[in-house]
Amino acid sequence: EAAVTQSPRSKVAVTGGKVTLSCHQTNNHDYMYWYRQDTGHGLRLIHYSYVADSTEKGDIPDGYKASRPSQENFSLILELASLSQTAVYFCASSGGNQDTQYFGPGTRLLVL
Amino acid sequence: QQQVRQSSQSLTVWEGETAILNCSYENSAFDYFPWYQQFPGEGPALLIAIRSVSDKKEDGRFTIFFNKREKNLSLHIKDSQPGDSATYFCAASTSNMGYKLTFGTGTSLLVDP
Repeated sequence: EAAVTQSPRSKVAVTGGKVTLSCHQTNNHDYMYWYRQDTGHGLRLIHYSYVADSTEKGDIPDGYKASRPSQENFSLILELASLSQTAVYFCASSGGNQDTQYFGPGTRLLVL
Repeated sequence: QQQVRQSSQSLTVWEGETAILNCSYENSAFDYFPWYQQFPGEGPALLIAIRSVSDKKEDGRFTIFFNKREKNLSLHIKDSQPGDSATYFCAASTSNMGYKLTFGTGTSLLVDP
């Protein structure tokens, strides 16, 4: 069974503070993704990575950085958190082109 | 612009009925269409998928009907059960960027017992 875990599961952050969301996969997948989910917008891709030590911008990368230090780990970094970044964030992994994406349980982020 | 569109934000059906969830897309290069199911508090999970070379894909009570000419598809859930109550996302990708899924905004299905 594919496994993607995320930490923390929920977080309250202050505006202007730094937030790091972590993701770990045990699927031996090359691709990893960060999405945010907002009501009325579905899932939108923030950053993705297809190999360790390299990340790519997705559709809404502004205000976010990503880090892929190893095949298993992928982090999303909000250097200066803003109110508009309140959302649920999902990490996913996949084996490659048009393979199934396996999602983690999500991190609920509230920026005050 | 929304490249993958789900026309209904929500849908309610009675237990035992067939639920029909619609999806349309704009990019003619899309050739892979997965549907993801999401329960509250969980991440989405792949339910069923179709490639554009097919016009129908069936898996148990779940069937995708695909119309390439009209650029739309629908997910039919036969004999709906209360346990099917969830949000369903239509997604699409192209073969040359198959790792990149574009998601619709989702349809929240409620099956009333």
